[in-house]
Amino acid sequence: AQSVTQPDIHITVSEGASLELRCNYSYGATPYLFWYVQSPGQGLQLLLKYFSGDTLVQGIKGFEAEFKRSQSSFNLRKPSVHWSDAAEYFCAVGSHNYGQNFVFGPGTRLSVLP
Amino acid sequence: DGGITQSPKYLFRKEGQNVTLSCEQNLNHDAMYWYRQDPGQGLRLIYYSQIVNDFQKGDIAEGYSVSREKKESFPLTVTSAQKNPTAFYLCASSTRGATNEKLFFGSGTQLSVL
Repeated sequence: AQSVTQPDIHITVSEGASLELRCNYSYGATPYLFWYVQSPGQGLQLLLKYFSGDTLVQGIKGFEAEFKRSQSSFNLRKPSVHWSDAAEYFCAVGSHNYGQNFVFGPGTRLSVLP
Repeated sequence: DGGITQSPKYLFRKEGQNVTLSCEQNLNHDAMYWYRQDPGQGLRLIYYSQIVNDFQKGDIAEGYSVSREKKESFPLTVTSAQKNPTAFYLCASSTRGATNEKLFFGSGTQLSVL
């Protein structure tokens, strides 16, 4: 069964600094990979997704993520963080096997200092 | 605008009481999901439905029940058998229910026990 870990529970960065949020997955084949963002008291919004092809994917709000098969990772990056990026970020894995469902990581809460 | 509507935003349950959380979507999606979110645990799947009049248990279905009588609606009942119901509940939908699809989320219902 697939699993997802996000090693960092909480990260604090200064506005304008670069950001990298880590995601590691366990899956027997190349999974479908997603990053979602959640503002407090709200639902989740898709930032980006990876299915195949170019391992560097671009998303909304200036985010990007890189799939590294050798490291079983799909880390999320942003070159310059804005105060509005403060939120919780979830990595998720989808299976190629019909009938299985998404698995979400525990989330990383991002705080942004002015 | 198309989207998912969850109501109420906040809900309180008394001991021994069943409560029902509403989820309606006007995206014409076949698949609908219910997730439970607890701090530090990410999202856990309660129930999902890929077609009207059919639904499947997720990872934590005990103490919950659902129905899917209409394509647009997927209500979740938290029964008295659920001993720890306090959590944030998220409803989601996708086009067909495949795990290479984007999930669309409602804004959630916070359930608390009185």
